Amino acid sequence: DSGVTQTPKHLITATGQRVTLRCSPRSGDLSVYWYQQSLDQGLQFLIQYYNGEERAKGNILERFSAQQFPDLHSELNLSSLELGDSALYFCASSAINGPTENGYTFGSGTRLTVV
Amino acid sequence: AQSVTQPDIHITVSEGASLELRCNYSYGATPYLFWYVQSPGQGLQLLLKYFSGDTLVQGIKGFEAEFKRSQSSFNLRKPSVHWSDAAEYFCAVGGRASNYKLTFGKGTLLTVNP
Repeated sequence: DSGVTQTPKHLITATGQRVTLRCSPRSGDLSVYWYQQSLDQGLQFLIQYYNGEERAKGNILERFSAQQFPDLHSELNLSSLELGDSALYFCASSAINGPTENGYTFGSGTRLTVV
Repeated sequence: AQSVTQPDIHITVSEGASLELRCNYSYGATPYLFWYVQSPGQGLQLLLKYFSGDTLVQGIKGFEAEFKRSQSSFNLRKPSVHWSDAAEYFCAVGGRASNYKLTFGKGTLLTVNP
């Protein structure tokens, strides 16, 4: 157990629907990073939050949004889902804005299947 | 733009043999470099990282990597592979200049034959 908790572990939904993925960072970590892992694109950085504020953005689609709450957990919202959004979504956390001596700690991911 | 190339998609080695996984990066400033390992159905586990200092870094499970700035490489090595090392290995680059966002390579799948 890495200490980063992602729920749900698996999610199956239909095209056009909206889902919310949740991430609880390791205790004491202030930064949360979201990544998408798909067969064709590999691991892609989506977005980063540090202590509630957005700090960096990658190739995140406009249909996707995220936020970090005062208790530091984060949610990734995916809307108007398409078949191509099927992927493994990872959350990683860090104590600071950037890697620590332990790098970034990854959760075990949420596998999203859009049918 | 930052990028990582892992030239080998799939490598097969025999148990007990030595291993080297290649990683070439492109980054416009001082890079932070990482190697992560992913077992099937699992998240990513950090093997080792390079931030600065000694260019030969030691990691967990007997892995090491050498940062060669002149070659823009950060190859991962292990002198003797164990069957439990079978997994997918990812090299990643990031740094202060990109606000620490990581760019990953496509990964190298390692198969270990008994």
